[in-house]
Amino acid sequence: AQSVTQLDSHVSVSEGTPVLLRCNYSSSYSPSLFWYVQHPNKGLQLLLKYTSAATLVKGINGFEAEFKKSETSFHLTKPSAHMSDAAEYFCVVSDRENQGGKLIFGQGTELSVKP
Amino acid sequence: NAGVTQTPKFRILKIGQSMTLQCTQDMNHNYMYWYRQDPGMGLKLIYYSVGAGITDKGEVPNGYNVSRSTTEDFPLRLELAAPSQTSVYFCASRRATDTQYFGPGTRLTVL
Repeated sequence: AQSVTQLDSHVSVSEGTPVLLRCNYSSSYSPSLFWYVQHPNKGLQLLLKYTSAATLVKGINGFEAEFKKSETSFHLTKPSAHMSDAAEYFCVVSDRENQGGKLIFGQGTELSVKP
Repeated sequence: NAGVTQTPKFRILKIGQSMTLQCTQDMNHNYMYWYRQDPGMGLKLIYYSVGAGITDKGEVPNGYNVSRSTTEDFPLRLELAAPSQTSVYFCASRRATDTQYFGPGTRLTVL
């Protein structure tokens, strides 16, 4: 069965410092993994996706994530946080074999950015 | 392209009332989904469709119904609204790849 676990429910950083949001996954086959961002009272925006090509995936707004099979991790990073990065971030895995390829969401990590 | 659109943006229902949440996509995607997001949680799948005329249940289908008469539209029907259905509802669609594209959401409160 597919699942994702986001290791931190809340992360707080200062503007200009690095961001690390942690995600571990469980999958019975080579997974498709995603990070989505949700700003307050907004919809979900795709940040980046991994689909078995390069293990280091670059996304929008300076975010990137590294797929590490040996650690079953897909952590999201950004070198320098901006105030506009404050939002909820979801690590997501695609369940290709069930229910039309539904997405399975982690619980979310709320990122706060202090000035 | 407008992408995935949802109406209404907000709605307040009384217990026992019914309503339909509308979802339309203009990307000619075969797959469409309805998810709900409860406070502080990720999304859960309610119903999905792999093409016009084909729908199936997701993880949390009780209290909901769907139809898919066209490729573009995938309405979600709530019958006999209950407080447990207070949530934010997201519609999504995709083509052959895994990437799903989401609508802006409908915030529903049942009092």
